[in-house]
Amino acid sequence: DAKTTQPTSMDCAEGRAANLPCNHSTISGNEYVYWYRQIHSQGPQYIIHGLKNNETNEMASLIITEDRKSSTLILPHATLRDTAVYYCIVRVFFNAGNMLTFGGGTRLMVKP
Amino acid sequence: NAGVTQTPKFRVLKTGQSMTLLCAQDMNHEYMYWYRQDPGMGLRLIHYSVGEGTTAKGEVPDGYNVSRLKKQNFLLGLESAAPSQTSVYFCASSPGTREETQYFGPGTRLLVL
Repeated sequence: DAKTTQPTSMDCAEGRAANLPCNHSTISGNEYVYWYRQIHSQGPQYIIHGLKNNETNEMASLIITEDRKSSTLILPHATLRDTAVYYCIVRVFFNAGNMLTFGGGTRLMVKP
Repeated sequence: NAGVTQTPKFRVLKTGQSMTLLCAQDMNHEYMYWYRQDPGMGLRLIHYSVGEGTTAKGEVPDGYNVSRLKKQNFLLGLESAAPSQTSVYFCASSPGTREETQYFGPGTRLLVL
């Protein structure tokens, strides 16, 4: 699976959009971009995933660059409850064991 | 719809003791997983199952055994606990379809003294 690079931490004002970048320059054609988050002491939570088109759901939007070497997760109106560690994971959507490789992630702090 | 539940939430063991962690899901998912997360680290896959009656080893299987006798349950056993097994254990399940995502339980905190 491709390696990802994310900033260690970010701050965001409550009510503003949070834009979390992820670099995955070695991504291959059959690898998807997944985003999960982990709120302190809780289990990871799936947010969104995509292959090459931009995706949107009730939680967030995922913007993938045309060359697929980077992506941005957008939380349109961040709340205090969005404070968490956000993980960008790139992998073939079906591999043996479907192991999710969680790197360091980005620690997002939403401030009042 | 409770999703993925785990019992117990917290447990303290002495070295050499045994215990079983229970994971249950009510989403009719085919796949189930056990991960461990050490402080400041990412998740590591211990064992997984792609269906009732099947199990397979993950990244860090030593010292653990698992069973999937019923589709909705996935048990993780520690036969002889060691301090190195002090961790937070997360169970997850997924539909087993093409574009699949994993749904995680709340975790079990295990302390081995």
